[in-house]
Amino acid sequence: QVQLQESGPGLVKPSETLSLSCTVSGGSISTYYWSWIRQPPGKGLEWIGYIYGTGGTTYNPSLISRVTISVDTSKNQFSLNLTSVTAADTAVYYCARHRTSESFYFDYWGQGTLVTVSS
Amino acid sequence: DIVMTQSPDSLAVSLGERATINCKSSQSVFYSSNNKNYLAWYQQKPGQPPKLLIYWASTRESGVPDRFSGSGSGTDFTLTISSLQAEDVAVYYCQQYYGSPYTFGQGTKLEIK
Repeated sequence: QVQLQESGPGLVKPSETLSLSCTVSGGSISTYYWSWIRQPPGKGLEWIGYIYGTGGTTYNPSLISRVTISVDTSKNQFSLNLTSVTAADTAVYYCARHRTSESFYFDYWGQGTLVTVSS
Repeated sequence: DIVMTQSPDSLAVSLGERATINCKSSQSVFYSSNNKNYLAWYQQKPGQPPKLLIYWASTRESGVPDRFSGSGSGTDFTLTISSLQAEDVAVYYCQQYYGSPYTFGQGTKLEIK
């Protein structure tokens, strides 16, 4: 059974960088696509970007200037960096797996981690 | 970007009755080369991540009760719960995976009448 677990600071100051990691257990990270998705409190879901297990990435154009997603296959982990954060970046951040290379729906999700941007 | 619009925003249905949620995409998510609609449905309960219910517009995920069904093609899709149970109270989202950026509907909140 695949499991995903997000980790990282729950509070980030405005203008700083939000950094989160997602640890994958129960399967190899190398042969799947992995995404970050966020959900502001009480609002809907926004896809941030994905990375393939060997490192290729695609980002949401709305965030492309501030986002970097990377992978560490030795730790079975992938990470999100979001720079120059503002209060609008306050959200629950989820990591999730895509089913297959042509099926970009999300079949496994982490529990999510709330990141608040505040001074 | 493909804009996904759900209707209604909220819905109250009696236990045992049918619930219907609609999702409309701003452009077709049907890929003619493989005859598939790139549309998924999720259920999200409070404090939990979304749970995959339906993919390819009408294929039920393993373990999802058969009272959940998906239909539609092109730009218009429907999620139907044939006989509402108390545990179905949740917010439901559609998502297109036809093209990046992958986008979600705004959500439909389903409650018991």
